[in-house]
Amino acid sequence: NAGVTQTPKFQVLKTGQSMTLQCAQDMNHEYMSWYRQDPGMGLRLIHYSVGAGITDQGEVPNGYNVSRSTTEDFPLRLLSAAPSQTSVYFCASRAGTGGVLAKNIQYFGAGTRLSVL
Amino acid sequence: AQKVTQAQTEISVVEKEDVTLDCVYETRDTTYYLFWYKQPPSGELVFLIRRNSFDEQNEISGRYSWNFQKSTSSFNFTITASQVVDSAVYFCALSGIMEYGNKLVFGAGTILRVKS
Repeated sequence: NAGVTQTPKFQVLKTGQSMTLQCAQDMNHEYMSWYRQDPGMGLRLIHYSVGAGITDQGEVPNGYNVSRSTTEDFPLRLLSAAPSQTSVYFCASRAGTGGVLAKNIQYFGAGTRLSVL
Repeated sequence: AQKVTQAQTEISVVEKEDVTLDCVYETRDTTYYLFWYKQPPSGELVFLIRRNSFDEQNEISGRYSWNFQKSTSSFNFTITASQVVDSAVYFCALSGIMEYGNKLVFGAGTILRVKS
């Protein structure tokens, strides 16, 4: 059971370049999310999805796009990378919907370390 | 709004010492869930424990124990007889039912360094 798989593990971009961070889960979880981790700020929610075709913004959505065409995949797109987007990105998934969702454990991928020069 | 505060940015202890990591939370929900995650130097996030707002019983798992006190909105984590392998960043997190759409809100994390 692979759990949550993120690719790539490391990436270096130049300012203005675009890229997609991939995330896939094999647990049939409805809820998927993207976080960024910056020193001293913990993990902050970028975007999330409660099921295929449904996405919504988190705390820090600017500069990022997401889509959810299947239950398994939840890619994160940087349209025009900026140095402020240098961070470690985590994808996560949780089972359940509605009120049940809150109690369920969130499982994380191994992270993508992104540097924007 | 929901908020999690981990006031201790970094803690250093010597092996075999006991150490407590503090977590204080804010929420307007009456039903909510608290979590602790560990992030070792390798970078992945590892789930440690979940506690719901109706269960104030303390929990012990080996050298780890958790003290949940609703009256002080705290969910502290104690490691007994710390070991070098406990060196990691520890995150406390909160998930509510009504407010914030079930999103998981994290504290800033506490870096624990255990020296041999």
